[in-house]
Amino acid sequence: DAKTTQPNSMESNEEEPVHLPCNHSTISGTDYIHWYRQLPSQGPEYVIHGLTSNVNNRMASLAIAEDRKSSTLILHRATLRDAAVYYCILPKAGGTSYGKLTFGQGTILTVHP
Amino acid sequence: GAGVSQSPSNKVTEKGKDVELRCDPISGHTALYWYRQRLGQGLEFLIYFQGNSAPDKSGLPSDRFSAERTGESVSTLTIQRTQQEDSAVYLCASNRRGTSGNNEQFFGPGTRLTVL
Repeated sequence: DAKTTQPNSMESNEEEPVHLPCNHSTISGTDYIHWYRQLPSQGPEYVIHGLTSNVNNRMASLAIAEDRKSSTLILHRATLRDAAVYYCILPKAGGTSYGKLTFGQGTILTVHP
Repeated sequence: GAGVSQSPSNKVTEKGKDVELRCDPISGHTALYWYRQRLGQGLEFLIYFQGNSAPDKSGLPSDRFSAERTGESVSTLTIQRTQQEDSAVYLCASNRRGTSGNNEQFFGPGTRLTVL
């Protein structure tokens, strides 16, 4: 499975934008880029995913580099409830266990009031 | 609609006992995944079910771990002769097809297992 690399931690102030980077230099042409987050004491929740084009939804935006070797999750206005561990994942796209998620350590986002 | 549910939410057991954890996926979701998360760690994949295909058990850490799923419904994860290192939160997730990499997974709240 393609590997992702994220910073261990990031900090932000409330109501400011947050840019969470992810490197995935071994990504293949069929790999989707998914982001999940895990709030304290909860199971992970899906945030957003994309393949080639930038994506927006009610939670966040995903900016994908032209060569697809990196991507950035953008929270436009961080709130205290956005404090969580953010995971950048490339779900298994073929063979057995289609869609299997391999979680790394993720980025711990701290939001200051 | 109802999300993924898991039971029990908490389980405390003694070393050497067997435990059974239950997952009810979202109706219509053909793919079901079990993950384990030890305290302060990331999620580890355990097992994957897709419809009536043979499950992928490649993530099960030992033969004390087994899981079953009947059709596209409930799944049970069984841990025999529990050890203290089995203490973790066990998470279940499901999605609609599991046949490509673009389907979001929906996670349950997890079962927190503590082995004394």
